[in-house]
Amino acid sequence: GQNIDQPTEMTATEGAIVQINCTYQTSGFNGLFWYQQHAGEAPTFLSYNVLDGLEEKGRFSSFLSRSKGYSYLLLKELQMKDSASYLCAAIHPGGGNKLTFGTGTQLKVEL
Amino acid sequence: NAGVTQTPKFRILKIGQSMTLQCTQDMNHNYMYWYRQDPGMGLKLIYYSVGAGITDKGEVPNGYNVSRSTTEDFPLRLELAAPSQTSVYFCASSEGSGAFFGQGTRLTVV
Repeated sequence: GQNIDQPTEMTATEGAIVQINCTYQTSGFNGLFWYQQHAGEAPTFLSYNVLDGLEEKGRFSSFLSRSKGYSYLLLKELQMKDSASYLCAAIHPGGGNKLTFGTGTQLKVEL
Repeated sequence: NAGVTQTPKFRILKIGQSMTLQCTQDMNHNYMYWYRQDPGMGLKLIYYSVGAGITDKGEVPNGYNVSRSTTEDFPLRLELAAPSQTSVYFCASSEGSGAFFGQGTRLTVV
């Protein structure tokens, strides 16, 4: 089954770099997603990793190690607007492209 | 570009009442999902559909029902509302490489 773990909250400084970790236990793993969710809003797609390695997309990068069941989201040049919850999600085995979500990491960016 | 549209945005129900949360998508996606999100609990899958005419239970289906008569629409029905169903409900659609979410319905059962 799926068991996705990520830290509950993190605090970082504007302009800095922050790494949000996610570990998962799954059989039939088929992809790892990161979403951003601002308070009171819907989750929005950030990244998708299905193979090992780093995917870079502007200030955001995501890394996956399938052998270790581990992913991280790297945010560079932090801005105040990056304060949000970051959700790690894995595709659920058994078809249907179902996503199983972690509880999210609440990131607070401070001056 | 409408994407995924949910209605209503907010609703207050009395215990025992029924309602339908509407969801429609204009991206021609086969996969559609209903999630609920409680504070600090992450998103939990209620029901999903892999195409018109096909639906299946997710992690927390009790107290809910769905139908998928068209590719575009995936309504969620609450039959006998209970306080435990107070939550934010998100509809999503996908074609494999990531799900797109509606803006959510904040439901309170009193």
